Amino acid sequence: SQQGEEDPQALSIQEGENATMNCSYKTSINNLQWYRQNSGRGLVHLILIRSNEREKHSGRLRVTLDTSKKSSSLLITASRAADTASYFCALSEEKLVFGKGTKLTVNP
Amino acid sequence: GAGVSQSPSNKVTEKGKDVELRCDPISGHTALYWYRQSLGQGLEFLIYFQGNSAPDKSGLPSDRFSAERTGGSVSTLTIQRTQQEDSAVYLCASSPRRGKGHQPQHFGDGTRLSIL
Repeated sequence: SQQGEEDPQALSIQEGENATMNCSYKTSINNLQWYRQNSGRGLVHLILIRSNEREKHSGRLRVTLDTSKKSSSLLITASRAADTASYFCALSEEKLVFGKGTKLTVNP
Repeated sequence: GAGVSQSPSNKVTEKGKDVELRCDPISGHTALYWYRQSLGQGLEFLIYFQGNSAPDKSGLPSDRFSAERTGGSVSTLTIQRTQQEDSAVYLCASSPRRGKGHQPQHFGDGTRLSIL
């Protein structure tokens, strides 16, 4: 099964800036999910976007899905130091397949 | 605490020993997943349980790995004759059900396994 590829692998920004992370994949999917993982903790589900949806919002998070380009992006607006974490996209096929993640550091 | 609970949180053992890792899923969740996460890496799927169906064991890396889920609730992942390459964080997740479009998964904080 395919794995989403996140880009960039690491991102360092200042508090207040926006952070954009991308996920690309190769074949069709049922849905795509984004998760956050704080250091030493489990993953926390952020947003699920279905294959027939183009954009979803949740608080400061905005997720887009472009099925023609087979890519998704996660935008975190007005970032905070507490947003420092690794962010993973997960592709829904028969199983949920996780990428290797983007490590985001938000500097105070 | 209504979340997924894993125990122990840390386990250090000698090469060649057997280890058992436990997962208590969220009550009522019929789907349970085990993943392995090596340092700085993504999640590697190991095994999946759904209700009373036969588990999907396609991700288990070798026959030293096995898992069971008793009574549709608690699950135990067993690694026999541990090797150093088994050192990783083992994460458990549960979800209400598995449909065509996967439901969000709820994760425990994992067991950090270190093989000396």
